[in-house]
Amino acid sequence: EPEVTQTPSHQVTQMGQEVILRCVPISNHLYFYWYRQILGQKVEFLVSFYNNEISEKSEIFDDQFSVERPDGSNFTLKIRSTKLEDSAMYFCASSEQGDNTGELFFGEGSRLTVL
Amino acid sequence: AQKITQTQPGMFVQEKEAVTLDCTYDTSDPSYGLFWYKQPSSGEMIFLIYQGSYDQQNATEGRYSLNFQKARKSANLVISASQLGDSAMYFCAMREGIYNQGGKLIFGQGTELSVKP
Repeated sequence: EPEVTQTPSHQVTQMGQEVILRCVPISNHLYFYWYRQILGQKVEFLVSFYNNEISEKSEIFDDQFSVERPDGSNFTLKIRSTKLEDSAMYFCASSEQGDNTGELFFGEGSRLTVL
Repeated sequence: AQKITQTQPGMFVQEKEAVTLDCTYDTSDPSYGLFWYKQPSSGEMIFLIYQGSYDQQNATEGRYSLNFQKARKSANLVISASQLGDSAMYFCAMREGIYNQGGKLIFGQGTELSVKP
């Protein structure tokens, strides 16, 4: 069964360092998302991406964050200068449909720890 | 205002019994989809069931059913014959909009379900 894959599964970094989280969405999907989940809290939307551009972003997704689909298969989230509060599980998701009937398929997450 | 509200932070159920996890939502969009996801301790998000706002029948998927009460804006998940493997966090989520706009999923706070043997 096709799945969304994410790397790395866990990354530890020092505050102020740049981090890139990578995702390979399901191949025929057109809509891509990043979510984050701080430990014990709810899943928060960061950004959605369609047709090679950001469709929507939350207030969390400030200038420190960027997304890219560099080669037609990978979908990356970059955090330019990490802060302690960026420590969270980051989920990539993709969807075949853009309307409200389509579920999002999630990757297994990348746990980011900022020291 | 919260778009998705799950008022039960934690629930216990005896193995083999049924359990209902509550979810209420708030939207002015006439077209929306409601989803339930399961998050086991390993962390992945597993899709369980979907209900469309125009669907006349309540959705069912195996042991999962969705008690959809549109007028009350509730979309409760019912798990029948609970199993130990059902112990997990459960999230209710909503996706708005009829057009192919790639609308995001909005999640509730989650309910942690523990199944007792």
